[in-house]
Amino acid sequence: DGGITQSPKYLFRKEGQNVTLSCEQNLNHDAMYWYRQDPGQGLRLIYYSQIVNDFQKGDIAEGYSVSREKKESFPLTVTSAQKNPTAFYLCASSPGQGALGANVLTFGAGSRLTVL
Amino acid sequence: AQSVTQPDIHITVSEGASLELRCNYSYGATPYLFWYVQSPGQGLQLLLKYFSGDTLVQGIKGFEAEFKRSQSSFNLRKPSVHWSDAAEYFCAVGYNTDKLIFGTGTRLQVFP
Repeated sequence: DGGITQSPKYLFRKEGQNVTLSCEQNLNHDAMYWYRQDPGQGLRLIYYSQIVNDFQKGDIAEGYSVSREKKESFPLTVTSAQKNPTAFYLCASSPGQGALGANVLTFGAGSRLTVL
Repeated sequence: AQSVTQPDIHITVSEGASLELRCNYSYGATPYLFWYVQSPGQGLQLLLKYFSGDTLVQGIKGFEAEFKRSQSSFNLRKPSVHWSDAAEYFCAVGYNTDKLIFGTGTRLQVFP
């Protein structure tokens, strides 16, 4: 079945440590996204990538970094510079600009990061 | 600035009752419109979408939504709610780009 796999589902980190969240898709989608979800705030865009080896900052990119070396993979690193990293992180993908259903996002099951 | 408003943070209904969740957007141009549903601790699932054409859109699980240009609204409805519909619902808009703007969500609680 085609879909998006996020790992790990739960992650605990000590303050000052970097942590990387994995996102893999087998939908052959060009575009991939990372969202952060906090209670009562909806989804906020961290980074997105429309094509391999290219990505753009979203609304809350500070303290995060990404890479897009392969079409199917878009890992997110939460760095020690992120002041409040405890949150639920959602990865998504879409066919990409110009494609049928360009705006239709498919989501992974999420990763919950807790900073101790 | 483009924005999406879901004015109801939390709604409680009895099983079998009708449901309407409100969504308004701020931008003047007609956007692409979406409703997603999220069960606790899970990702988001697409319920329905509006791109153009008929303003009444049918989705999965018996949901429908109506686009009203004059009110900049895209409200979600269901005639008879089931206990399994308890979840959080997100409205989202897109404008000729890949990015979507999400509302803050409405949590639906269903009583037997």
